Amino acid sequence: KAGVTQTPRYLIKTRGQQVTLSCSPISGHRSVSWYQQTPGQGLQFLFEYFSETQRNKGNFPGRFSGRQFSNSRSEMNVSTLELGDSALYLCASSPGRRPNNEQFFGPGTRLTVL
Amino acid sequence: GEDVEQSLFLSVREGDSSVINCTYTDSSSTYLYWYKQEPGAGLQLLTYIFSNMDMKQDQRLTVLLNKKDKHLSLRIADTQTGDSAIYFCAETTNAGGTSYGKLTFGQGTILTVHP
Repeated sequence: KAGVTQTPRYLIKTRGQQVTLSCSPISGHRSVSWYQQTPGQGLQFLFEYFSETQRNKGNFPGRFSGRQFSNSRSEMNVSTLELGDSALYLCASSPGRRPNNEQFFGPGTRLTVL
Repeated sequence: GEDVEQSLFLSVREGDSSVINCTYTDSSSTYLYWYKQEPGAGLQLLTYIFSNMDMKQDQRLTVLLNKKDKHLSLRIADTQTGDSAIYFCAETTNAGGTSYGKLTFGQGTILTVHP
């Protein structure tokens, strides 16, 4: 079974721009969670989607948004980029039927904001 | 609220056992996980334990859970240089609602294995 894939792997943007990251979950998994990883704050939960609906959201500003498609692929968007948005963005997929299903992570998208 | 703490560094010699410790505060934690992250990579799920268990063994990995003290440990037997990585513990609950899809992670323990 193929693992979680994320595209692109690397991105360089400038302040004020917006960016869209993509995540394809493991086949059959319906839940996709997104995390931001930075050296200062560690791993922080952004949001989770299940069957095209956002079920949970972390404490991030509204500039961070996401969506999920009928094939369970998910995208996250960051608008009006700030320097502090530079991070590794990880998505994770799980079957999603229970809150505590184990999550399987993709390799991440490294975003650099200049 | 949820908080997960880990020691930041651990250095061991190849062939020795490694023990990585983690404490958590959320008494409603249901599942506790150990993930491994190698440089430039995502997180690899190593193992997990349900909160009504005390111990789980999986090949070279042994997880111990002391629910009273909210203390979790990961023991790696016969540690190899390929085990050098960052190890994260994480917790989640079965509460539904704000727990869906959300793992709360510790800050990670950097394990260095010397030949």
